[in-house]
Amino acid sequence: DAKTTQPPSMDCAEGRAANLPCNHSTISGNEYVYWYRQIHSQGPQYIIHGLKNNETNEMASLIITEDRKSSTLILPHATLRDTAVYYCIVRASGTYKYIFGTGTRLKVLA
Amino acid sequence: DSGVTQTPKHLITATGQRVTLRCSPRSGDLSVYWYQQSLDQGLQFLIQYYNGEERAKGNILERFSAQQFPDLHSELNLSSLELGDSALYFCASQPHRGEKNTIYFGEGSWLTVV
Repeated sequence: DAKTTQPPSMDCAEGRAANLPCNHSTISGNEYVYWYRQIHSQGPQYIIHGLKNNETNEMASLIITEDRKSSTLILPHATLRDTAVYYCIVRASGTYKYIFGTGTRLKVLA
Repeated sequence: DSGVTQTPKHLITATGQRVTLRCSPRSGDLSVYWYQQSLDQGLQFLIQYYNGEERAKGNILERFSAQQFPDLHSELNLSSLELGDSALYFCASQPHRGEKNTIYFGEGSWLTVV
């Protein structure tokens, strides 16, 4: 499984876009990039995933570089409720292990 | 609410004891995953079941075991408990079709070993 590297913490002003980077330089062709977040000690919540193309849903956007070695999760208008630990995960197609790293602790400031 | 139900929510027990954590997946989901999260640690993948069969194994100790029953609920058994087993244990389930790329987590079971 490809490993991911994320900054341990980030701050973002409320109402601004939060851009969370993830490095997955050893990703292989059949590995998807997933993002989850965990608010306090609640169960992790699925945000978005992608393979090659950029993706957008009601929660966020996922930008994957052309070489797929890194990606960025964008929360377009961060709110205080977005304060959480954000996990970037890569998972190979056809496998069943979602391996979580240490994540990025995002703090949204009023 | 993810639809994944875990019981009990909190459990305090003594070292050397055995506990069972229960997980009911979302309706129709065939896959169940178990994760352990110790204080200030990331989520450690333990084991995954699909329709009653073990599908993938992670860092699960020999003192721990799991199973998935015909009604698709799953149990994680933790025995000979040690202080270091104190953690939040999450169950997650995955759809068989449709949104099968995502897994949905329950709210966890807090285990404290004293």
